[in-house]
Amino acid sequence: AQSVTQLDSQVPVFEEAPVELRCNYSSSVSVYLFWYVQYPNQGLQLLLKYLSGSTLVKGINGFEAEFNKSQTSFHLRKPSVHISDTAEYFCAVSDRATDKLIFGTGTRLQVFP
Amino acid sequence: NAGVTQTPKFRILKIGQSMTLQCTQDMNHNYMYWYRQDPGMGLKLIYYSVGAGITDKGEVPNGYNVSRSTTEDFPLRLELAAPSQTSVYFCASSPTSGRATYNEQFFGPGTRLTVL
Repeated sequence: AQSVTQLDSQVPVFEEAPVELRCNYSSSVSVYLFWYVQYPNQGLQLLLKYLSGSTLVKGINGFEAEFNKSQTSFHLRKPSVHISDTAEYFCAVSDRATDKLIFGTGTRLQVFP
Repeated sequence: NAGVTQTPKFRILKIGQSMTLQCTQDMNHNYMYWYRQDPGMGLKLIYYSVGAGITDKGEVPNGYNVSRSTTEDFPLRLELAAPSQTSVYFCASSPTSGRATYNEQFFGPGTRLTVL
């Protein structure tokens, strides 16, 4: 079965600095990959997804992620963060056997002024 | 469109009580899901439905029941609440287009449940 590892439970960063949130998944077979964001006291919303094609995926709010098949990774990046990016970020991978999404444990991004 | 709505937002239950968490979506999505979110654990799938009248178990179904009599509604029932069910519960829906995992899941704002 698929699994997802988000190595960092918390990432503190200053405003306007770049950030990378790491995500690794367990299987090298074809997968679909997703990043969701959860703002305080809200549900999750989709940031971006990779289904096929270009390995660099651009999402909302200036975020992008790169699919690396050899490293089984799908790291999320933003070149310059804002205070408003403070949130919990979840990586998710498709389990092709069950057609379900498997979520990572989340990374809390805290942006300081 | 209101999207996915959940009621109540907060609830405190005593051990052994029962309750129903409501979920409604107005996007005409066939797929609907119930997740629970525990601190540091990510989201775990409780139950899901691929259409009215069809439901199936997810990863952590014990202690819960669901029904899907209409496309719009997908209530989650807790029959005998236990402290282990203290969690934040999210309902989600997604459209049908090929495999379920092609599609974005749209989440409700969540219900925070405490069982004492």
